[in-house]
Amino acid sequence: AQKITQTQPGMFVQEKEAVTLDCTYDTSDQSYGLFWYKQPSSGEMIFLIYQGSYDEQNATEGRYSLNFQKARKSANLVISASQLGDSAMYFCAMRERLPGGGADGLTFGKGTHLIIQP
Amino acid sequence: DTEVTQTPKHLVMGMTNKKSLKCEQHMGHRAMYWYKQKAKKPPELMFVYSYEKLSINESVPSRFSPECPNSSLLNLHLHALQPEDSALYLCASSQDRGLGYGYTFGSGTRLTVV
Repeated sequence: AQKITQTQPGMFVQEKEAVTLDCTYDTSDQSYGLFWYKQPSSGEMIFLIYQGSYDEQNATEGRYSLNFQKARKSANLVISASQLGDSAMYFCAMRERLPGGGADGLTFGKGTHLIIQP
Repeated sequence: DTEVTQTPKHLVMGMTNKKSLKCEQHMGHRAMYWYKQKAKKPPELMFVYSYEKLSINESVPSRFSPECPNSSLLNLHLHALQPEDSALYLCASSQDRGLGYGYTFGSGTRLTVV
């Protein structure tokens, strides 16, 4: 079963508008971490923002904020005042214990391709 | 130093070749990872090394052979690959424990198998 669901394969947004990228997750663990990464066409994965399962406040990092609704298992990324350089793939990911071993793993959603139009 | 360095950035190899991908970090992270990413898909976990020991092997074919010579280095040895193995290979590192720690990714190696 898919653990991270991103329902928007692609989005077009006008420059300077705010944009919300959706992410829902599924886990039975009480302790987990949620992350958003940006991947430009160059391929590098750039960390944007983190939300812990026990954090009571929504995370913010500059123009990025995370709308965390734990009961709904939702962790949407909000980008304020979008810029042309925000055009990229955006991945929601969850870090949790992997079965069978003492290691953690980062599981990704399918991603949203965001295009900012001038 | 807050980077993960991957070499080479691009690699073209024949199906009979042997090559290696290299990854290096100097952040003191004790967990290192190899991911495979096909075009327009999310990264898929291949291997996890924790404290230089292989923790997770996600049923990857034996033509991919990981190696962790020390806590800063991670290699992926390639032999007898198939064209469908063409992909972006991403290395990442992280604190071994603590679900609040994200991964730091390298910029990847774009592999083409001909």
